[in-house]
Parts: sequence; C-alpha cells; structure tokens
Amino acid sequence: GAGVSQTPSNKVTEKGKYVELRCDPISGHTALYWYRQSLGQGPEFLIYFQGTGAADDSGLPNDRFFAVRPEGSVSTLKIQRTERGDSAVYLCASSADRNNEQFFGPGTRLTVL
Amino acid sequence: KNEVEQSPQNLTAQEGEFITINCSYSVGISALHWLQQHPGGGIVSLFMLSSGKKKHGRLIATINIQEKHSSLHITASHPRDSAVYICAATGGGADGLTFGKGTHLIIQP
Repeated sequence: GAGVSQTPSNKVTEKGKYVELRCDPISGHTALYWYRQSLGQGPEFLIYFQGTGAADDSGLPNDRFFAVRPEGSVSTLKIQRTERGDSAVYLCASSADRNNEQFFGPGTRLTVL
Repeated sequence: KNEVEQSPQNLTAQEGEFITINCSYSVGISALHWLQQHPGGGIVSLFMLSSGKKKHGRLIATINIQEKHSSLHITASHPRDSAVYICAATGGGADGLTFGKGTHLIIQP
C-alpha cells in the first residue's frame, strides 16, 4: 500500500511569508508526528496527533507554528511570518498507534530567503 | 527530558568489515528505534525493540535496558550500507521520538 506522502517536496519562500506543509499518513494510522531536521542534525520532535487532536505540541518552537488534523487523516503544518531560521526539512511520520513503529514521509525541504 | 547519545559520529570502514554503532539514553524508555537515512532520502525504520535482540538480514540490533544502551551491528558491510544511522527513543516522558545526532557511515569498496 501507499506510504506516507508529503507535499510539496520543496518550498522556497521569502522571509515573512506564510507556508503550509501537507502530510498524508498511511491509511488507518491514528498517530501522526511532525519533526524538523536542520542541516547536519538529527530530527527534532514538533507535534504529535492522536486522531484529530494534538496530544502533544510541546516541540513547536513558538506561536508562529501551528498544525491541524481536522478529520484524523491528513495533517497540515502551518508557519506564519517565516524566518530564515525556519529553513529545514520538515518530516512527517505515522504509526498504527502511539508507541508503534513509525513510518516516515520523504520530507518537505523549506528554504526561507 | 531524555538525552540520546550516539557514537561514533562518523565511521569509515572497508567493505566486509563488521560495523558497530552505539547508542545510550538517559531515562527509561518504552522502545528504542534504529533508523536509516540515505543522502537526500527519507528515513527508513530498521528496528524497533524494547528488549533483547533483533536480526534482519545482515543487521542486528541489541538493547540492554539496565545499562540504557543499544547497539546496531552490520555484518559483511557493503558500500550500499553507506548512510546515516539514527538511534531514537520513545517514552521517557515524550510522545514523539527523541533522536540521537546520527552516525555517518561510509563503506569503501
């Protein structure tokens, strides 16, 4: 079956703009995670959804970042007033349930000029 | 907060060598994950383990819960094994994975 997909694969934007990154998890997976990976670093946790609700958003760096998962499937990560420091690869992963194996999408490379 | 440490950070070896990558964590966890990331590529889950040992092909992962330590071994290494290997933990008070910084492995022919 289809794996986790993310769109767009690359996004270049200007400082101050708004961006949306989309994640399509594996069908039936209730748990969805967003991570951010800066160049040369390991990924860092941003937010975890169980179903439609954000069960843990402690990794979001500030209130410019927000994510939704309105129907418990597709999730959108939204970044307002982008800054150059937001440039990174944003990874999405899903799992059948919390604490199960996570399956990663290919990531969205965000570049803020 | 859990801290996940990996060693070595970089490793270059010759084809055929036995490879070991180490991972330690600071607090109790529910599971330890080993992941593989190729340059420009996505992340692939290799193992998820909470005790003992798992084997898949030439890859072996072990975990010692008491010592809070895990190892990833690659037998008969091959250039196609060249990638970044990342150790990550679930549990320890966090909902998402807590990642190590990764080990950049290069296998030379």
